[in-house]
Amino acid sequence: DAKTTQPNSMESNEEEPVHLPCNHSTISGTDYIHWYRQLPSQGPEYVIHGLTSNVNNRMASLAIAEDRKSSTLILHRATLRDAAVYYCILAQSNFGNEKLTFGTGTRLTIIP
Amino acid sequence: DAGVTQSPTHLIKTRGQHVTLRCSPISGHKSVSWYQQVLGQGPQFIFQYYEKEERGRGNFPDRFSARQFPNYSSELNVNALLLGDSALYLCASSGRGQVNEQFFGPGTRLTVL
Repeated sequence: DAKTTQPNSMESNEEEPVHLPCNHSTISGTDYIHWYRQLPSQGPEYVIHGLTSNVNNRMASLAIAEDRKSSTLILHRATLRDAAVYYCILAQSNFGNEKLTFGTGTRLTIIP
Repeated sequence: DAGVTQSPTHLIKTRGQHVTLRCSPISGHKSVSWYQQVLGQGPQFIFQYYEKEERGRGNFPDRFSARQFPNYSSELNVNALLLGDSALYLCASSGRGQVNEQFFGPGTRLTVL
């Protein structure tokens, strides 16, 4: 499985944008970039995914480098509810073969 | 709509015992995956089942087994429990057309004494 590298922890002020980086230099052409987050005492929650182009949804934006060796999850306006561990994951997208390989993620702390 | 449900919420067992954990996927989802999350680490993939067939297996000993039923619910069984099996066990489901989005349940917290 291709590996990702994320900072162990980050802090951000409430109502400020947050940029969470992820390096994945060994990404293959068929790997999708997924982001999940895990709030305290809950199961992981899907945030966003992408292949080559930047993506936006109601939760966040995903900026993917042109060479696909890195990506950044952007929370446009952090709230206290965004405090969680954020996981960057590379995975195939074959239905019936959807193994997710989680690393240790980035623990995001939001400062009021 | 109900999300992924898991039972029980918490469980305490002693070494050498057997445990069965249960998962009900979101209605219409035919794929179920199981993960183990040890405190302080990210979830580790154990099994994936689709249409009652095993589609993937992680690096876990044969003491771990699973199955999926005709209604797509699933059971994870662990035999001969060890202290190191203490963890949060997570179930996730996904549906066709939602390959990139897995929905996780709240997990079962297993403590082995």
